[in-house]
Amino acid sequence: DIQMTQSPSSLSASVGDRVTITCRASQGIRNDLGWYQQKPGKAPKRLIYAASSLQSGVPSRFSGSGSGTEFTLTISSLQPEDFATYYCLQHYDYPWTFGQGTKVEIK
Amino acid sequence: QGQLVESGGGVVHPGRSLRLSCVASGFSFSSYGMYWVRQAPGKGLEWLAVIWYDGNKKYYADSVKGRFTVSRDNSNNTLYLQMNSLRAEDTAVYYCTREIQHGYFDYWGQGTLVTVSS
Repeated sequence: DIQMTQSPSSLSASVGDRVTITCRASQGIRNDLGWYQQKPGKAPKRLIYAASSLQSGVPSRFSGSGSGTEFTLTISSLQPEDFATYYCLQHYDYPWTFGQGTKVEIK
Repeated sequence: QGQLVESGGGVVHPGRSLRLSCVASGFSFSSYGMYWVRQAPGKGLEWLAVIWYDGNKKYYADSVKGRFTVSRDNSNNTLYLQMNSLRAEDTAVYYCTREIQHGYFDYWGQGTLVTVSS
């Protein structure tokens, strides 16, 4: 099974900061990776698909990069509504796996 | 607008069984693969299982393989998760979700809480 190692597990940042979250796959997954955002009490929402494509309606401050085993989610200028938990999801092979999550908190 | 509504959660003793249901409305249920995802209290998302649109293929996470069974009744727009030999570590909110495109979960249920405790 493919393991997804996500880091950091949490971070504190200020509005306007640039934030980077990383996911590493235990084997190559091409670009079969998405990034989801979850706010407390809400269902997850996909931000990025195919590792680097922006989901329709998602602000352009979100971007993704990577292929193979190393992937990155970047928020170029953190906004108040971006404080949430972020997860990567590999859908290259079953069983699919989420990363452990990164909680982005207000500094 | 599609909707998913889970039910069947509750408190159960270790080793016992529980069946969760997820009723779909507002979309053609029989056309989509359906998934179960869970979230333990204060923890991250865990992918559990998938059943293809026609029920012909199913896959499971290692943590539940052999204990949980996913099924569906397309005539009644309902997804199921039969959970046997429950353990304390199965305590979580269980969500059903629809895959609209590869790797894209768009509709999610509100979740149903399963607590495994003696």
